[in-house]
Order: sequence, then C-alpha cells, then structure tokens
Amino acid sequence: AQTVTQSQPEMSVQEAETVTLSCTYDTSESNYYLFWYKQPPSRQMILVIRQEAYKQQNATENRFSVNFQKAAKSFSLKISDSQLGDTAMYFCAFEGTDKLIFGTGTRLQVFP
Amino acid sequence: EPEVTQTPSHQVTQMGQEVILRCVPISNHLYFYWYRQILGQKVEFLVSFYNNEISEKSEIFDDQFSVERPDGSNFTLKIRSTKLEDSAMYFCASSEARTGSQPQHFGDGTRLSIL
Repeated sequence: AQTVTQSQPEMSVQEAETVTLSCTYDTSESNYYLFWYKQPPSRQMILVIRQEAYKQQNATENRFSVNFQKAAKSFSLKISDSQLGDTAMYFCAFEGTDKLIFGTGTRLQVFP
Repeated sequence: EPEVTQTPSHQVTQMGQEVILRCVPISNHLYFYWYRQILGQKVEFLVSFYNNEISEKSEIFDDQFSVERPDGSNFTLKIRSTKLEDSAMYFCASSEARTGSQPQHFGDGTRLSIL
C-alpha cells in the first residue's frame, strides 16, 4: 500500500528565516508524482510545488524548493525567506492511481 | 486563472437528511474528484470520476454516497442519509490528465455540518 508520512506535526520559524518540512513515502512504483499543498486558515488547498520522480533535478518555485531523494523515498520542502503569509498547514501528497494520498500535515507558524 | 468552484461554502443539515454538494470543475478538465477532511485530520480520497463513470472509490464511499455529472459543467456529491460523522470539509478537484503531469486543482471546499 502507498503511504505518506509527515513526522513533524508542528514547526515554527521566524520571518525571513529558512525552514524545512519533512515527508517520506512508500511505494513500489518507479514513476510517480509528489506534491506539497498549502492549507491556510481559510482551508483552501493550494498547490505549492510538484516533483516527477523520473526527474532527478529538484523542483523549485520561487522561495519554495524540494529535496527529493528517490532511493530514500524522501521529499522535503524548503521555504526560504519565510513570510507571515506562509503560516498554514502543509500537506505532502503522493499521486497514486486516480487519487492523491496525503500525509497528516505539518502546521507551520511564521513569527514576526 | 480558471478555478474550481464549490457551492455552498457551508451547509448545515439535520442527521438523516439528504445533502447535495455542488462543484463546477475547470472547463477543459476531464477528471473529477471528491475528497473529505474531518476537522483536524488529513485529507482523504473519496472518489474519482471520468467519462461519466466512477474510476475509483475509497472504503469511505459506501452506498450512502453517489456522484453525478448531470450536465456539461456540474459535478455533484450526494449523501443520501447523513450521519453525524459525515461532518467534514468536502473538497472537489479536477485535472486535465490522469497523472500528475497535470496536477489536481482544488475548490475552496464545502463545510458540511450535521446536527
């Protein structure tokens, strides 16, 4: 069975600092996609970044980047220059057949 | 930028009543999904829908649930006889393709409260 594990229930970071959120997953597939979604207090689900397992290069989107380690089945999210608006729940997700499988989330609080 | 829209934003229903949650996916998308998030928990897959039929469904999606695409634009989730444990945020999502090459776009969700 495919599983996604986020071992950090809560994290905090000071504004302008860098923070890394961890995610591990389990699958027997060789090609797949991984995602990070952000859920602010309004509870929308916003796509932050995605990574195709076939690509070795780590994905980046402005201040957001990932460290994808396929052999270790690890997919961490790095947020640089943290901003107050980054305060949210962050969910790691694995794309299984016809569905997304989510981790339990990490609540990130950015302090001024 | 095109969006997935969901209505209503909040639905309050008496236990045992039927409820229909509505979604308008992005117009050129072909794959549609419903997810559920009980307060404080992770997002869980309910059902995927393509070419007017269910592609996959989870254990949560029992006989009380059904989905329909009644016209060219709406995608609905019906819960026939609601239970207290159906209280949750329900998200609709859509995508152009089945794989993550075209990621799923989520609506803002419908908060369902069962009394």
